[in-house]
Amino acid sequence: KAGVTQTPRYLIKTRGQQVTLSCSPISGHRSVSWYQQTPGQGLQFLFEYFSETQRNKGNFPGRFSGRQFSNSRSEMNVSTLELGDSALYLCASSLGGADNEQFFGPGTRLTVL
Amino acid sequence: AQTVTQSQPEMSVQEAETVTLSCTYDTSESDYYLFWYKQPPSRQMILVIRQEAYKQQNATENRFSVNFQKAAKSFSLKISDSQLGDAAMYFCAYKSWGSGNTGKLIFGQGTTLQVKP
Repeated sequence: KAGVTQTPRYLIKTRGQQVTLSCSPISGHRSVSWYQQTPGQGLQFLFEYFSETQRNKGNFPGRFSGRQFSNSRSEMNVSTLELGDSALYLCASSLGGADNEQFFGPGTRLTVL
Repeated sequence: AQTVTQSQPEMSVQEAETVTLSCTYDTSESDYYLFWYKQPPSRQMILVIRQEAYKQQNATENRFSVNFQKAAKSFSLKISDSQLGDAAMYFCAYKSWGSGNTGKLIFGQGTTLQVKP
């Protein structure tokens, strides 16, 4: 089975731009969660999507949004980029149950200049 | 709100020796999951071991074992017979039991483990 894939792997943007990151879960997985990883704040939960619905949300501003498609692929969007948005963005997929393991993708490294 | 604390930013161990990584957490919930994740320099996060809070028996996965002290809210990871491939950042993580929190992991700040040959 193919693992979780994320595209692109690296991205450079400038302040004020917007960006869309993509995550393809493991086949059969219906839940996709997104995390932001920075040296200062560590790993922080952004949101989770399950069957095309946002099921859980972290404490991030409204500039951070996401969606999930019928094939369970998920995208997250960050509008009006700020320097502080520079981070590694990880997504994780699971079957969706409380007891199910989350499998992480390799991440997208976003640099905001 | 739940919090997870890893008080050791860096640890080092000699190859073939044993090392213990510490983790404490704070929660008012009685049912939850605890995890240790490994993030090697390649950045792919992988699950090392998990513990359900209702289980008194400590989880074990080959060379990896935990010491789960529920009353003390402590969850340490012991790595036996350390190998060079164990070098990575290790994260302790917490997840609530409820179905409304299935995707939300709360992570500690991480411990970087160096393995010396």
